[in-house]
Amino acid sequence: RKEVEQDPGPFNVPEGATVAFNCTYSNSASQSFFWYRQDCRKEPKLLMSVYSSGNEDGRFTAQLNRASQYISLLIRDSKLSDSATYLCVPDGGATNKLIFGTGTLLAVQP
Amino acid sequence: ETGVTQSPTHLIKTRGQQVTLRCSSQSGHNTVSWYQQALGQGPQFIFQYYREEENGRGNFPPRFSGLQFPNYSSELNVNALELDDSALYLCASSPLVGPAEQYFGPGTRLTVT
Repeated sequence: RKEVEQDPGPFNVPEGATVAFNCTYSNSASQSFFWYRQDCRKEPKLLMSVYSSGNEDGRFTAQLNRASQYISLLIRDSKLSDSATYLCVPDGGATNKLIFGTGTLLAVQP
Repeated sequence: ETGVTQSPTHLIKTRGQQVTLRCSSQSGHNTVSWYQQALGQGPQFIFQYYREEENGRGNFPPRFSGLQFPNYSSELNVNALELDDSALYLCASSPLVGPAEQYFGPGTRLTVT
C-alpha cells in the first residue's frame, strides 16, 4: 500500500464550482497533516496545516478522520487561480520527514 | 515568497560526475530538509539537518550527502551521478525541528546526461 494515495485527476471544474479532494495515508502514527499546492514547474507552497479534526481558511476547508486515516480538502467558489496540483502531506510519524502524495491536478475553466 | 533561496536554478551534468547544490534558509529557521522530485511525482524526502547534524534520512544511498552551516544554510552533494538523479531538488526550511510546517525554495533542476 502506498504511504499516501490521492486521485491524480485531472479535476476539470467551472469557475465558481465546489470541488473536493480526498487522500488516504497508511502511517497511523502520523500526527501533523498539510495541504500544499504546486504550480507547474514551481515549488510546493503551504496551503493549510491540519493538526486536529480540521481547519478552515476562507474558501478552503480541510477535514481529518484519524480513525479512517483519511484527509480531505474542499475548495468553494473555485477561481481560475486555484488551478494547480494539490499535494496531501502527512508527517512520517516518528521520523523527521513529510510524506508527499503524487498530487491531484485541478483545472478551473472559465 | 518564502525567503528560501537555492542555487543554481538549473544544472546539466554528465553521468559519473559530482554536484553540489546550495540552500539558504528563511530568516529565523534553523532546520533544513532536502527533497527530490522526479517528473510527475511528489517530492521524496532525502534528509533533514538541524544544528549542523543530519536529523533523519529517507531511502537514498550514501552518495547523497549534506552539510548544514552555522548560519543554517545547507548543501546537498551527490556523487557518481546517475541518469535517474535527473530531477528537481527542493530545499525546505522550518522554524522547528522534525516534521513541522516547511517552506520551500524554488528548487534546482538537475539534468544528468
